[in-house]
Amino acid sequence: KQEVTQIPAALSVPEGENLVLNCSFTDSAIYNLQWFRQDPGKGLTSLLLIQSSQREQTSGRLNASLDKSSGRSTLYIAASQPGDSATYLCASKGYGGSQGNLIFGKGTKLSVKP
Amino acid sequence: EPEVTQTPSHQVTQMGQEVILRCVPISNHLYFYWYRQILGQKVEFLVSFYNNEISEKSEIFDDQFSVERPDGSNFTLKIRSTKLEDSAMYFCASSELPHEQYFGPGTRLTVT
Repeated sequence: KQEVTQIPAALSVPEGENLVLNCSFTDSAIYNLQWFRQDPGKGLTSLLLIQSSQREQTSGRLNASLDKSSGRSTLYIAASQPGDSATYLCASKGYGGSQGNLIFGKGTKLSVKP
Repeated sequence: EPEVTQTPSHQVTQMGQEVILRCVPISNHLYFYWYRQILGQKVEFLVSFYNNEISEKSEIFDDQFSVERPDGSNFTLKIRSTKLEDSAMYFCASSELPHEQYFGPGTRLTVT
């Protein structure tokens, strides 16, 4: 059964720093991996999706990488801003008959201090 | 930009009552999902729906839960007899293909 873990659970950085959020998964047979942002009491905003055949995806200041062999994905945020403060979730999707069934990590709560 | 909408944003109900949570997926999407997040815990998959039938469900999605697409736009989650442990944030999601999922803002369900 797939398990997704995110470390650290919380991270506080000064504005302007580059930072990396980590996501690990136990079953490397994933179909894709999706990164989300969640603001307090709000829904999930999709940031990046990496297909299993891809190594990385970029959107603006965000870059997500995927290494299936080691069971890891990272989300790199460049030049962090206070507006980036939120909880970041990663979720993996498996193969087979599942057409949904995203397995989520618990998230990393990011705080960017001005 | 198209988005998934959910109503109500907050629902308070008494234990044993039935609740219906409503979602309007993105209009050209074909796959629909419900997830829930108990306070302080992970987001958990409940059910996926495609071509007017359930395609997958989790262990959480027992006989107390049901889903329906009553018309061309709405997608609903019904809980027949709510329990205290059903208190959670419920998220609806949709996707055009079984790939990138787009989530709604959620309905906070409080069972008293």
